[in-house]
Amino acid sequence: GENVEQHPSTLSVQEGDSAVIKCTYSDSASNYFPWYKQELGKGPQLIIDIRSNVGEKKDQRIAVTLNKTAKHFSLHITETQPEDSAVYFCAASMPGSRLTFGEGTQLTVNP
Amino acid sequence: DTEVTQTPKHLVMGMTNKKSLKCEQHMGHRAMYWYKQKAKKPPELMFVYSYEKLSINESVPSRFSPECPNSSLLNLHLHALQPEDSALYLCASRGPMNTEAFFGQGTRLTVV
Repeated sequence: GENVEQHPSTLSVQEGDSAVIKCTYSDSASNYFPWYKQELGKGPQLIIDIRSNVGEKKDQRIAVTLNKTAKHFSLHITETQPEDSAVYFCAASMPGSRLTFGEGTQLTVNP
Repeated sequence: DTEVTQTPKHLVMGMTNKKSLKCEQHMGHRAMYWYKQKAKKPPELMFVYSYEKLSINESVPSRFSPECPNSSLLNLHLHALQPEDSALYLCASRGPMNTEAFFGQGTRLTVV
């Protein structure tokens, strides 16, 4: 089955800096890669996703890049704000199959 | 509307109690999921319903019993739980093939 590794497990940045979280996946058949943000006591919120026919996708301060050859994808957050502090999960999915999650990254943005 | 609604938000139950968790979505999604999440861990898949039929049971103990009364509703019936079952229980729904999956806010379950 699919295996997703996520790094780093914790990330601390100063407000205004950029943050990058990286994930690798094992199965080349995976073609859908979402990112979720989970605040304390809440459910995961889908913030951005990318499909295997696209190399990069951007939504305001958030971007995701995908390298199919290397089987890795990354989340980029620019101009970080304290409200960006949360746990971020990457995931991968093959057609018609379940989501496989990474272990999560605790992002802390210091004012 | 990408909302998945879960009730209750919090639940404390004794080991001999019977309770139910409820989930509702109105996005027309035909796949619905139950996940269990422990602190600082990713969601762990428990059950998948596809077109109101149970398609995946991840070897979950029988003290957890899922039910899908219709395409919008998903229940999780709980009976004789153990303290180690305390966790955040998440419901999610997803459209056909590899469309987006949306999660509810979860039910924080404490078994005493």
